[in-house]
Amino acid sequence: GAGVSQSPSNKVTEKGKDVELRCDPISGHTALYWYRQSLGQGLEFLIYFQGNSAPDKSGLPSDRFSAERTGGSVSTLTIQRTQQEDSAVYLCASSYLGAQNTEAFFGQGTRLTVV
Amino acid sequence: GDSVTQMEGPVTLSEEAFLTINCTYTATGYPSLFWYVQYPGEGLQLLLKATKADDKGSNKGFEATYRKETTSFHLEKGSVQVSDSAVYFCALNPNSGNTPLVFGKGTRLSVIA
Repeated sequence: GAGVSQSPSNKVTEKGKDVELRCDPISGHTALYWYRQSLGQGLEFLIYFQGNSAPDKSGLPSDRFSAERTGGSVSTLTIQRTQQEDSAVYLCASSYLGAQNTEAFFGQGTRLTVV
Repeated sequence: GDSVTQMEGPVTLSEEAFLTINCTYTATGYPSLFWYVQYPGEGLQLLLKATKADDKGSNKGFEATYRKETTSFHLEKGSVQVSDSAVYFCALNPNSGNTPLVFGKGTRLSVIA
């Protein structure tokens, strides 16, 4: 597609359930990012994938959060045993870091509500 | 590591007022700099960028100049409109190997008629 695609756009889940959020980056982009944006807050970095390198997981808030990127393309962010504080908009972005000065392109986000 | 610091909001202005949102950065190499905008209910989109010192990025009446001597990239607009109400994020690309883009915390702007 032309842009970064995220699904679902909205997700309501019960506390304690697991959820999977999907990100389909722009074709050919080597870098993929996940961020979290809580209501009225800024961007909280979660995880970063770049090519075949080991991902930078330094932003994951707990071991309930994990992410993978299959075949260097689609990524899935998984949250296990969801808690109410996990409620937020989860944003995915991709960029081509093979070239200098490139910007990141964002998807529309997945709004997660844990009830 | 590399970092971006931008002024905290919220910022509230009257229509046609002058806008400045400050952004300073710390980087070890030669980063490129960006401003992103997030309108209500929408995703982030690139507003403007500058790739080297003294470059000026501009778009939709907004401008920002890459100042290496002051490590700054302040966003300005001469006359804001209600439609400019959004959250603005300053960001940098370190341009050095396997390092991710770095974002500031965002500044919420509200423009009132």
